[in-house]
Amino acid sequence: NAGVTQTPKFRILKIGQSMTLQCTQDMNHNYMYWYRQDPGMGLKLIYYSVGAGITDKGEVPNGYNVSRSTTEDFPLRLELAAPSQTSVYFCASRMTGGNQPQHFGDGTRLSIL
Amino acid sequence: DAKTTQPNSMESNEEEPVHLPCNHSTISGTDYIHWYRQLPSQGPEYVIHGLTSNVNNRMASLAIAEDRKSSTLILHRATLRDAAVYYCILITQGGSEKLVFGKGTKLTVNP
Repeated sequence: NAGVTQTPKFRILKIGQSMTLQCTQDMNHNYMYWYRQDPGMGLKLIYYSVGAGITDKGEVPNGYNVSRSTTEDFPLRLELAAPSQTSVYFCASRMTGGNQPQHFGDGTRLSIL
Repeated sequence: DAKTTQPNSMESNEEEPVHLPCNHSTISGTDYIHWYRQLPSQGPEYVIHGLTSNVNNRMASLAIAEDRKSSTLILHRATLRDAAVYYCILITQGGSEKLVFGKGTKLTVNP
């Protein structure tokens, strides 16, 4: 089972460039999430989605955009990359219900120079 | 969002039991208690969850206080591979799905 798949695994960007981090899940989960994790720190929620066509801001949404056109895909867009966005990005998904665990991808390590 | 409080770090010796505490004094009746762990350079992974009763699985045990305001993740025999950051979060049945993680507890296991 593939689970939650993130691409790319690594990327280096120049300041001001844009890119899209891809996230796909094959478990038919309603909810999907994007987190960032700075070195030595915990997870910070960027955006989340409760279903196709519905997205909402998390704790640190500035500088990012998301879309959810299908149940499977939840891409994260960086429009004007800044050094402060250097981080590891994790995508996650889960089914509806308090007893449903969250499944995480392996992460995308992004450096902005 | 319901909040949890965990110690920043804990230390254990290999093959000894480890008890990782989590306080959630504002927990509501429909909040499930979830535990996740993050091994170095990996994404978080699910460990265990519970609502009211204690729970066991192949990875760990979860002990929930009678008033549900605290819980303890128990690793019965710590191994070096258990060294990780452990997160305790609350997920509400039918509530907001905005899942926010705290800083977790960094567990060090000494050989």
